[in-house]
Amino acid sequence: EADIYQTPRYLVIGTGKKITLECSQTMGHDKMYWYQQDPGMELHLIHYSYGVNSTEKGDLSSESTVSRIRTEHFPLTLESARPSHTSQYLCASSDPRGGNNEQFFGPGTRLTVL
Amino acid sequence: SQQGEEDPQALSIQEGENATMNCSYKTSINNLQWYRQNSGRGLVHLILIRSNEREKHSGRLRVTLDTSKKSSSLLITASRAADTASYFCATDRGGSNYKLTFGKGTLLTVNP
Repeated sequence: EADIYQTPRYLVIGTGKKITLECSQTMGHDKMYWYQQDPGMELHLIHYSYGVNSTEKGDLSSESTVSRIRTEHFPLTLESARPSHTSQYLCASSDPRGGNNEQFFGPGTRLTVL
Repeated sequence: SQQGEEDPQALSIQEGENATMNCSYKTSINNLQWYRQNSGRGLVHLILIRSNEREKHSGRLRVTLDTSKKSSSLLITASRAADTASYFCATDRGGSNYKLTFGKGTLLTVNP
């Protein structure tokens, strides 16, 4: 089982609240990713990081922001949550130095904004 | 951007039967990977096949890759109820681009 953790697992909040989704990994991976996935649908990359102090927007535009101050920690923040942000958020990490670029996923955070 | 497309979108079989899922993609790749996702959970890496490989096995899994057709297939033999999950292919373009592009997935249901 991958050593990558996400909290909370489930979150129900009201519109306008600020939230932070936590993601941590203990594998020392430089590369980390955030995906958004609606039930039964494909994954959309919304943010990624190739190392400390490096963050980039992904293929799907998102109102969320991320930070990477420590290698092991890659939190995602929504300043003002809206019902359209309701989705599952998956965090992943990888270490391509071995030649493979397989990604290790956390269990996800299911966010519901009322 | 390139996109993997799996087919079928959903597949329902009986325990003991084989399940085959297909994936097509649009641009050149360094490798192609298959992942499994149980309902409401994160993805788990199953198998990776490099662009210079044509077939790979891992336990009950068999993956093929045809770069001329830009397609891959995942075969699960002697399926079990515990194989019920969504299966995604993901393409890696290699180089300094470490992002994967995931397909839409195939929902496999194995009936006991």
